[in-house]
Amino acid sequence: DIQMTQSPSSLSASVGDRVTITCRASQSINNYLNWYQQKPGKVPELLIYAASSLRSGVPSRFSGGGSGTDFTLTISSLQPEDFATYYCQHTSSSYLSTFGQGTKLEIK
Amino acid sequence: QVQLVQSGAEVKKPGASVKVSCKASGYFFSSYDVHWVRQDPGQRLEWMGWINTGNGDTKYSEKFQGRVTITRDTSARTVYMDMTSLTSEDTGVYYCARIDRYCSSTSCFFFDYWGQGSLVTVSS
Repeated sequence: DIQMTQSPSSLSASVGDRVTITCRASQSINNYLNWYQQKPGKVPELLIYAASSLRSGVPSRFSGGGSGTDFTLTISSLQPEDFATYYCQHTSSSYLSTFGQGTKLEIK
Repeated sequence: QVQLVQSGAEVKKPGASVKVSCKASGYFFSSYDVHWVRQDPGQRLEWMGWINTGNGDTKYSEKFQGRVTITRDTSARTVYMDMTSLTSEDTGVYYCARIDRYCSSTSCFFFDYWGQGSLVTVSS
């Protein structure tokens, strides 16, 4: 089974900071990688799919990159509403799925 | 608008079973597969399995295979997740989620709509 490992597990940052979260796969997954944001008490929401495609309606300060085994989610200038937990998700053939353990982004 | 509305919270004793429902509205039910995801108290998300709402085919994570059954009632536009032999480690929030595809491969999908979640607590 492919394992997805996010780093860091938690992160403190300030409004206006540039932040990057990493997701590493235990073997190559091409670009079958999505990113979600979850705020407390809410359901996860899709931000990025296919590693780098921004979902319609998601602010352009969010961007995704990488391929193979190493992927990134970057927030170019943190806004107050961005403090949340972020998850990567690998999707594989026959509609299987694996999530990373999550990265909690907190206000410094 | 697309909605997935799940059944309410459940409290179960170890060894019992639980059945969670997920009622869809706002779209053609049989055109979109539905998956189930568990979020444990530590906030980790765990994929459980999915159902093809058109033909009823299912596939499960190895971890849940044999203990989870996902079914659907097309006339009721509802998907069900049934879990047996509950232990305290099954405590968590259970989500149904609809998928959308961005290419023809069975790897090209994401979860675009989620149910509100159903809290299942397993305690003696």
